[in-house]
Amino acid sequence: DQQVKQNSPSLSVQEGRISILNCDYTNSMFDYFLWYKKYPAEGPTFLISISSIKDKNEDGRFTVFLNKSAKHLSLHIVPSQPGDSAVYFCAAAANFGNEKLTFGTGTRLTIIP
Amino acid sequence: DAGVTQSPTHLIKTRGQQVTLRCSPKSGHDTVSWYQQALGQGPQFIFQYYEEEERQRGNFPDRFSGHQFPNYSSELNVNALLLGDSALYLCASSLAGPGTHQYTFGSGTRLTVV
Repeated sequence: DQQVKQNSPSLSVQEGRISILNCDYTNSMFDYFLWYKKYPAEGPTFLISISSIKDKNEDGRFTVFLNKSAKHLSLHIVPSQPGDSAVYFCAAAANFGNEKLTFGTGTRLTIIP
Repeated sequence: DAGVTQSPTHLIKTRGQQVTLRCSPKSGHDTVSWYQQALGQGPQFIFQYYEEEERQRGNFPDRFSGHQFPNYSSELNVNALLLGDSALYLCASSLAGPGTHQYTFGSGTRLTVV
């Protein structure tokens, strides 16, 4: 049972435009959400997170939006840069503190120069 | 500042054999989690160690076991290897306490079972 779903395996975006990556979850116990970026031959690196008490969190070019009623979150990257090309994983956790992460299957983002 | 270090980087084993993977956490971190990432999938939680004890466990059989040492480093052991155990094994470290979800991941050990 896939509790965190990323339905788009891949996404291509022109450099300078907005990249929007989507994630859906089914477990109502999840209340903390994260995005990780992964380059080949490297481990995932933390990008941005959001708690269920918020509906938006912004960090530079990256913004995460959370719609609790729809159990949906999205990551916006503006403007997209070639270095953003990577696999992006959405992850979720219950409670707040060192709980296990449940990951989606990832979306491969390719930024076209 | 050294991040999470995993060894070896690559490993080839035969079905039925046993394997040990090692992880040194980021300096200042005291909690180690292990994840398995099969090809085309997201990482799946195996277990987490804190204060040398298994604190949480995912849906993995008893063939998967671990250990944490007093210096916070950790080992993942897999017995009676199956072809399906072929995957990237990721170690993640963190500091125990509320609000800690920002794990630091290592680059992983690529295990191939033949």
